[in-house]
Amino acid sequence: GAVVSQHPSWVICKSGTSVKIECRSLDFQATTMFWYRQFPKQSLMLMATSNEGSKATYEQGVEKDKFLINHASLTLSTLTVTSAHPEDSSFYICSAPRGGELFFGEGSRLTVL
Amino acid sequence: AQTVTQSQPEMSVQEAETVTLSCTYDTSESDYYLFWYKQPPSRQMILVIRQEAYKQQNATENRFSVNFQKAAKSFSLKISDSQLGDAAMYFCAYRRSRTSGSRLTFGEGTQLTVNP
Repeated sequence: GAVVSQHPSWVICKSGTSVKIECRSLDFQATTMFWYRQFPKQSLMLMATSNEGSKATYEQGVEKDKFLINHASLTLSTLTVTSAHPEDSSFYICSAPRGGELFFGEGSRLTVL
Repeated sequence: AQTVTQSQPEMSVQEAETVTLSCTYDTSESDYYLFWYKQPPSRQMILVIRQEAYKQQNATENRFSVNFQKAAKSFSLKISDSQLGDAAMYFCAYRRSRTSGSRLTFGEGTQLTVNP
C-alpha cells in the first residue's frame, strides 16, 4: 500500500522556538495533504488542508501564523509551529489521499518545554 | 456540517468473543464513504474497513464487518473472535464524496480493551 512518512517522530523544543515537521508521500504524488492534531485520548482534529502550489486551507480557530504549512512539492508538505509554547505540545499527524483512501503518517509528538 | 458520534468511550471484550462498536453520523449528502480506523498504542492510524454509501451490501474484512444502516445513519463495527492485538482506539470516520481530496471527519473514538 501507499506509504506516508513523517519526520521527526519525536521533538522537544524550548518555548519560543520554531519546529518544522515534514510529511512525505513515499511512493505516490499528493496534491493535497491533511494535517491533524491529537491530544491524549482524544480524536483527531483537522487543522488544515495543504495544497500543492497554493495556500493551505485552515480550519476555523487554527492560527495561520502559528501553524505555517507549505506544500513544497507533490510529495512533501511541512508544518512549522512558530514561537512554540507548552500549549502547542501535542501529537501531529499528516495524511495523504490516494485511490479513494487516506494514508497516514506515523505522527510526530511535539513537547514544548 | 457533517458530524460523527461514537457514544461508547470505552468497551471491553473477552478474547475470542464478539464485540460491536457503535457509530452514528449526520449528513445531508447522498454520496459518501464511511471508515473504521484503528489506532494502537504506536499511534499509527490503520484502516480497518470502509463502506461506500451507495453500496447496500455491508463491507467485510476477515473478522471485521460492519452493519451499515443508511436511513438510520448508523455504521457499527463488529469484531468477531477478538484477539489481544485488537486492543486499540477505534475511530469511525466520514468522508463527504468519492473525491479523494475530501477530508475525513472523525468520531470521538472508542477505546477497546481485550481481556485474556
